[in-house]
Amino acid sequence: GQQLNQSPQSMFIQEGEDVSMNCTSSSIFNTWLWYKQEPGEGPVLLIALYKAGELTSNGRLTAQFGITRKDSFLNISASIPSDVGIYFCAGTTYQGAQKLVFGQGTRLTINP
Amino acid sequence: DTGVSQDPRHKITKRGQNVTFRCDPISEHNRLYWYRQTLGQGPEFLTYFQNEAQLEKSRLLSDRFSAERPKGSFSTLEIQRTEQGDSAMYLCASTLSGQETQYFGPGTRLLVL
Repeated sequence: GQQLNQSPQSMFIQEGEDVSMNCTSSSIFNTWLWYKQEPGEGPVLLIALYKAGELTSNGRLTAQFGITRKDSFLNISASIPSDVGIYFCAGTTYQGAQKLVFGQGTRLTINP
Repeated sequence: DTGVSQDPRHKITKRGQNVTFRCDPISEHNRLYWYRQTLGQGPEFLTYFQNEAQLEKSRLLSDRFSAERPKGSFSTLEIQRTEQGDSAMYLCASTLSGQETQYFGPGTRLLVL
């Protein structure tokens, strides 16, 4: 089945540093979404990408939809303590349910 | 609050018991999805509804699982004869047909002893 490979699995950074994470797939996706999840809660949508090559920002977050439609990255600039959590990429295809296929997540830990 | 809501937030049950979870989607959303998330993993698709019709089920959804959305609004997910392997976070998401952005509820965390 379709799989998304997300890296890194975890990151330990200092407050104020920039963060970069990415997702790759062997399959083409027509939409890429980035979510953040905190302990005991559901994923919260951060950014949605709809077109190959699209670069979208949401505050300190920037994400891009790869030209091949098989990858995406998320950058966080000037990290702050509330950025701590698990970040997931997810993609959908054109067929059927348009269900989300998720990566394994990147756990972000910030040292103040 | 007009977001997706789920009830209960936590459920502890003994192996062999039946459990039922409820999801209330965002009111104007006609598509509703159920996902399961185990520790350290991303959510995995279980099933989805468009209005009241259940249109797709994952192979993860064994015969012990059943989902309904009788009036096209809220949905229930029932697990019969629970097993320890059913312990997970069960997430509900909703969206409008033709839109890819799904909005998630807070989840129901199930622990089967």
